[in-house]
Amino acid sequence: DPKIIQKPKYLVAVTGSEKILICEQYLGHNAMYWYRQSAKKPLEFMFSYSYQKLMDNQTASSRFQPQSSKKNHLDLQITALKPDDSATYFCASSQMGQGGERLFFGHGTKLSVL
Amino acid sequence: QQKVQQSPESLTVSEGAMASLNCTFSDGTSNNFRWYRQHSAKGLEVLVSIFSDGEKEEGRFTAHLNRANLHVSLHIREPQPSDSAVYLCAVSITGGNNKLTFGQGTVLSVIP
Repeated sequence: DPKIIQKPKYLVAVTGSEKILICEQYLGHNAMYWYRQSAKKPLEFMFSYSYQKLMDNQTASSRFQPQSSKKNHLDLQITALKPDDSATYFCASSQMGQGGERLFFGHGTKLSVL
Repeated sequence: QQKVQQSPESLTVSEGAMASLNCTFSDGTSNNFRWYRQHSAKGLEVLVSIFSDGEKEEGRFTAHLNRANLHVSLHIREPQPSDSAVYLCAVSITGGNNKLTFGQGTVLSVIP
């Protein structure tokens, strides 16, 4: 059974629309993350949250907004979608959010923006 | 800014032959290194983690770290066709909020 659930698995959106990517983890972890993998680019860090507080944000655009309603949830809202936002978005978690911890990844949500 | 480069881009080996993958990084203060495998069906799974110079073995997977040379490698013993996947090197620094910098990956194909 997957311990990090990302929904949906695939998502198609039109330019200018807004979507929310869902992530729930059942590992009892206190830290959660979002990473993005665009075509031909390495996986890149976007956000880290620890105990539902934002710890690091490497996303230049305010169109990307994480939302943490519960300790084991970290959703990602993306507004005013652009074709360049097309990518697979991976959610991850770790025990405490301290450097050096092992990250566990979900299977990703593949977003296509037309 | 940390740069992580993997080589080769793709590698084909015969079943049972050793597979060797390389990763170089630019920030000499890096001290956390992990190799992940990315299967389309299984997502990302960590294979081996290494934090100090030398060797770390996890089953058929062995990582070698040489921080002075800014180099970490992964050796896969007796690879099987089911090991065919993309292998990712991830580098981070303790205290860095677990911000991993990934390489672009090596596509490994293991032929029977």
